[in-house]
Parts: sequence; structure tokens; C-alpha cells
Amino acid sequence: EPEVTQTPSHQVTQMGQEVILRCVPISNHLYFYWYRQILGQKVEFLVSFYNNEISEKSEIFDDQFSVERPDGSNFTLKIRSTKLEDSAMYFCASQRAPAGRGPNEQFFGPGTRLTVL
Amino acid sequence: KNEVEQSPQNLTAQEGEFITINCSYSVGISALHWLQQHPGGGIVSLFMLSSGKKKHGRLIATINIQEKHSSLHITASHPRDSAVYICAASPHSDNFGNEKLTFGTGTRLTIIP
Repeated sequence: EPEVTQTPSHQVTQMGQEVILRCVPISNHLYFYWYRQILGQKVEFLVSFYNNEISEKSEIFDDQFSVERPDGSNFTLKIRSTKLEDSAMYFCASQRAPAGRGPNEQFFGPGTRLTVL
Repeated sequence: KNEVEQSPQNLTAQEGEFITINCSYSVGISALHWLQQHPGGGIVSLFMLSSGKKKHGRLIATINIQEKHSSLHITASHPRDSAVYICAASPHSDNFGNEKLTFGTGTRLTIIP
């Protein structure tokens, strides 16, 4: 069964460093999302992406964050200058195009645990 | 802004018990998702509901659109059901396919043998 994959599973970095989190969505999916979960808190929406551009972003997704789909398969989240408060589990999700009117299931990757020291 | 509330936050039960987890939301939605989060952190989609009821094995999910309420039931619970169960709402929108989810805080379920 197709699945969303994410790498690395765990990333440790120093404050101020840049990190790139990678996701490979399911191949025929067209809508992509990043969510994050700070330890002990609920999952929060960061950004949605379709047709090579951001569809929507949350107030968390400030200028330090960027997303791109560089090669038609990978979907990346870059944090330019990490802060301590960026430590969280980051989840990628993908979703196929709607067959008609109506919502679709989102498929989640296993997550990348980012630790900023 | 949609708020999603879950109860209880923690639930411990004996193996075999019938489990109910509740979820309420504040504004109209296109769908309500039930997700399972394992101890390692991974998230698995269990159900997506727009109306009525869905069943998969020992899991049953129901939704009442008028009351903005959904429930997840587990029959004949087993220790392997121990996990965090999360409800999440898709916004009501004509822009299907851009469906950011708003998550509840999760219910930590522990089933004791």
C-alpha cells in the first residue's frame, strides 16, 4: 500500500542553523500539508501546498519557514534559522485530488522529530 | 475559527470494555476525521465522516452534524488499542483539496489486560 515517507526520522540541530525536512508524498496525490506537534500539545497546521504554490499558511508559518517541491516527488519544509521553540514533531500529509465534491482523506507520514539545542 | 474539543483527555479501561471517546466542534465542517497516534508518534487515519456512521472492525465512528458532535467507539477493547485518539475537522469550503485540519487535543487510551 502506498505511503507517505519522511526523512530524517530525527534531526538534532543547533539554534540558528538551517534545517530541511523532507517528505515523499503518495505519487498520485496533488495536495500537500505540513503540520507540527510540540511535545505534549495538539497537532497544528503549518501550511498547505498545491500546484507548486502555497494555498494557505498559518500564523506560525513566518518568514523563517519555506516549502517547495523541487523535483516533482519530494516536498520539503525549510526552517532558515531554527529557534528552541521550533523543537517539535513535524508531519507531512498528502491528499489526492477530489473525485467530485467532497473532502478527501489525508495520509500522514511518520514524522520527523526536530530537536533544537 | 473552529475549535475542536475532545473528552476525556485520558481513559483507562479493562480489556474487553466498550470505549467511547467524544469530540465536539464549534463551526460547520466538511468532514470529521478520527486519527490514531502511536507511542512512537506516527499518525494513522481511522475514519473520515461527513454524516451518519462508519464501522471498521471493532471501531465505530458516528457524527451528528446538527449537534456538531462525533463519537468514536471501540468494542471488545484490547491492550493493542492503547494509543492516543485524535479528532480533527476539515473546514467547510468550496475549495476541496485544500483542507487544513484543526485538531483536538487527543484522548490517551490505556487498555489494561
